[in-house]
This record gives sequence, C-alpha cells and structure tokens, in this order.
Amino acid sequence: QLQLQESGPGRVKPSETLSLTCSVSGGSISSSTDYWGWIRQPPGKGLEWIGSLYYSGSTYYNPSLKSRVTISVDTSKNQFSLKLSSVTAADTAVYFCARINCGGDCYLDYWGQGTLVTVSS
Amino acid sequence: SYELTQSPSVSVSPGQTASITCSGDKLGDKYACWFQQKPGQSPVLVIYQDSRRPSGIPERFSGSNSGNTATLTITGTQAMDEADYYCQAWDSSTVVFGTGTKVTVL
Repeated sequence: QLQLQESGPGRVKPSETLSLTCSVSGGSISSSTDYWGWIRQPPGKGLEWIGSLYYSGSTYYNPSLKSRVTISVDTSKNQFSLKLSSVTAADTAVYFCARINCGGDCYLDYWGQGTLVTVSS
Repeated sequence: SYELTQSPSVSVSPGQTASITCSGDKLGDKYACWFQQKPGQSPVLVIYQDSRRPSGIPERFSGSNSGNTATLTITGTQAMDEADYYCQAWDSSTVVFGTGTKVTVL
C-alpha cells in the first residue's frame, strides 16, 4: 500500500522560504506512470493545486504561484520537496502531497495526511 | 485560467439521493474526478474518469460528465457521507479544483 508523509517546519516567518518534504513508501517515486504533486488548503477554505513533477525532473506549476515555487525530486531517498519563497500570512495552510496516477488518464489517488504550516513572526 | 464552480452546499435526508454539480467551460471534453473530504482528513478520491469508482468506494457513489457539467450522485445517502466534496479536472498540464460543496445529511 502506497503511503505519503509530509514533513517540515510547522511555522515559517513572513518573507522566508517554506520547505516541505514528502516521503513515499510502498512504491517507487521513479514509476513511469506516476507524477507527484503538492496541494494546499487554507484553514476553512478549498483545495489549491501548487504544482507537480515527474521523477525525471519535469515540473508543472500553478501560474499564480509559479514565481515563488520550486518542486524537486530526490529519487535516491524516494522523496520530493516543495519550496515556496517570500511567504506571507496568505500562505498559511495545510499542505498535502499526493500521487498522480497517469496509467491512463491522470488522477490523484493517494494523499498524505497533510501538514499545517503557519506563517507568523 | 480555467475555473470549476460548485454550489456551496447541499442538504439531503438519509436514504435519499444527493446530486452535486460542477460547472466549467466544455467540462465534458475533459475527464472529471471527485474527492470527498471529512473534517481534519485528507481528500479521498471517490470518482475518476467521470464515472469510475476506485477500489473500496461504495456503489452508491456514481458520476457523469457532459456538456459543461459534471455530476456526482450519492444514492441512498448515509450519515457517513456528510463531508465536503470537490470536483477536479485538468487544464493542459495543470490541476484545477472546484470550489467545493458541503453535503449535510439531515
């Protein structure tokens, strides 16, 4: 059974960079049919896609966040990471990582439990 | 940018049918997915490719997609189905989520 687990600081100061890692177990991040993504959800609000990547390093970002986002992969550790720069209070959210299964059509079938990141001084 | 719009809330009596709609330009030309999210939990995929159910999802969940509207139908709604539901589609290589619908089972 595939499992994803987010990790990283629960609090980040304004203007600094938010850094999170998603550890994948029960499967390989180098699977040819899978992409990997980050999604966030501000408290009491809806889901917002941040971006996704393929194990080869190809990335796709939400245009509204693209200037501040970097998603990268470490295949040796079976992990992928998110960096979001110049954060403000508006970036306070639960951050989820997910697998994007692209065996046929693409769909997000496995999600991590999520981690709350608060932007505050 | 592509947008998916859902009604904010739907109320349904136990045992009745709940229909949740998701509207977007030519949505029927894309595949739609649906996620269920209960408070404090991660979203769970309940429908993908418009109408397919992942393993473990009850048969009472069904989906359709045509024209500008995708629909998630819960037949014989149970109290455990009370949750937020989000539709999702792809616009080029980007993921787009709907605005979300809160389903209340009264």
